[in-house]
Amino acid sequence: QSVLTQPPSVSAAPGQKVTISCSGSSSNIGNSYVSWYQHLPGTAPKLLIYENNKRPSGIPDRFSGSKSGTSATLGITGLQTGDEADYYCATWDSSLSAWVFGGGTKLTVL
Amino acid sequence: QVQLMESGGGVVQPGGSLRLSCAASGFTFSSNGMHWVRQAPGKGLEWVAGIWFDGSKSYYVDSVKGRFTISRDNSKNTLYLQMSSLRAEDTAVYHCARGLGVLSDGYWDSWGQGTLVSVSS
Repeated sequence: QSVLTQPPSVSAAPGQKVTISCSGSSSNIGNSYVSWYQHLPGTAPKLLIYENNKRPSGIPDRFSGSKSGTSATLGITGLQTGDEADYYCATWDSSLSAWVFGGGTKLTVL
Repeated sequence: QVQLMESGGGVVQPGGSLRLSCAASGFTFSSNGMHWVRQAPGKGLEWVAGIWFDGSKSYYVDSVKGRFTISRDNSKNTLYLQMSSLRAEDTAVYHCARGLGVLSDGYWDSWGQGTLVSVSS
């Protein structure tokens, strides 16, 4: 059971938009920045979003992040088959004194 | 460019020990916090441990406290994870990651491919 709650899976057609939610509490998302990662098992995870809504260089603006209260959202527009992967949110939890991940969301581009 | 290369994984019996290493290059290793993150088979990512840039502070997930020790040698640009009293549930691919920011504003911007640890009799 993850501290941060994500939907197990989402799907959409190529070219469409999808959002992935990440729900937490006041001890984590409510008081810390959220980051998002793209991961294909067996490979190195990739940073997509940091500090809630900032994109590292090289990450296309099709990827966006937002945060409101104790929830965060990753948005992906113009879906491509290459976007199929697992997506994770992460943040610092001050009650646990630990970094925590969401359970992960598998994106399928139909 | 930043490169992180893990090594030291393998098969170990329950109760055994193993030391993972992560060789870093392409950046000033001594300026960054470093972390270990793992993924068990069929499961999601789980943060395991983190250490400050100078090694003065370290943090652990509850499930490994007292069994795992994270350390670093800034003269060798290398991060370590000493694992003891290993359990079947420690079986996972272990990634090292470079940390930016501190605690509540922290995140990981570069990751290694990972090394597989399998705990089995």
